[in-house]
Amino acid sequence: EVQLVQSGAEVKKPGESLTISCKGSGYSFTTSWIGWVRQMPGKGLEWMGIIYPGDSDTRYNPSFQGLVTISADKSITTAFLQWSSLKASDTAMYYCARVISAAGIRWLDSWGQGTLVTVSS
Amino acid sequence: QTVVAQEPSLTVSPGGTVTLTCASSTGAVTGGYYPNWIQQKPGQAPRALIYGTNLRHSWTPARFSGSLLGGKAALTLSGVQPEDEAKYYCLLYYAGAWVFGGGTELTVL
Repeated sequence: EVQLVQSGAEVKKPGESLTISCKGSGYSFTTSWIGWVRQMPGKGLEWMGIIYPGDSDTRYNPSFQGLVTISADKSITTAFLQWSSLKASDTAMYYCARVISAAGIRWLDSWGQGTLVTVSS
Repeated sequence: QTVVAQEPSLTVSPGGTVTLTCASSTGAVTGGYYPNWIQQKPGQAPRALIYGTNLRHSWTPARFSGSLLGGKAALTLSGVQPEDEAKYYCLLYYAGAWVFGGGTELTVL
């Protein structure tokens, strides 16, 4: 069974750094992409970026470029989303999702349970 | 900046049929945008329903179907159940980047 398990909720102060994680299991971690999605309180889903753990090829939504860093460690089948200096506006639920590219099409299937990040002074 | 537009809200009666649509600011939506449809219920993580325009995941009930309709991606629910009340997002692929629509809040009443 494909599973994506995310790290637990975080409460941080503005200016602090943070890394949240998404551990994949039940499939070949290096041959699928992992995407990150933001959902601010009461709002819709926003695509942040995607990484291919096989070679760490990473693509960012221009709106998030330079604001976060996406990485992966294939030895522990885990993807990461990192902030160097959080802002209150980073308060949101963050989801990871598996993205497959095969047979001429691309799709999302499994999602993590979400990690709630709260940034407040 | 690319915008993907969906109806903000729709209402359907139990047992009825409803079609949600997904339009791209760049022009007609085709299969090359690999339309995906995602369902999210309050307090829950999103769940993938449809991919590649009209392909169901193994867990997707047969009452959900995807298509292309008048230059848009479409999600049709036939024989709507009360548990289908949720927010539905389409997701389109633009040459290396994915973009979500704003979502359609579906009320079953």
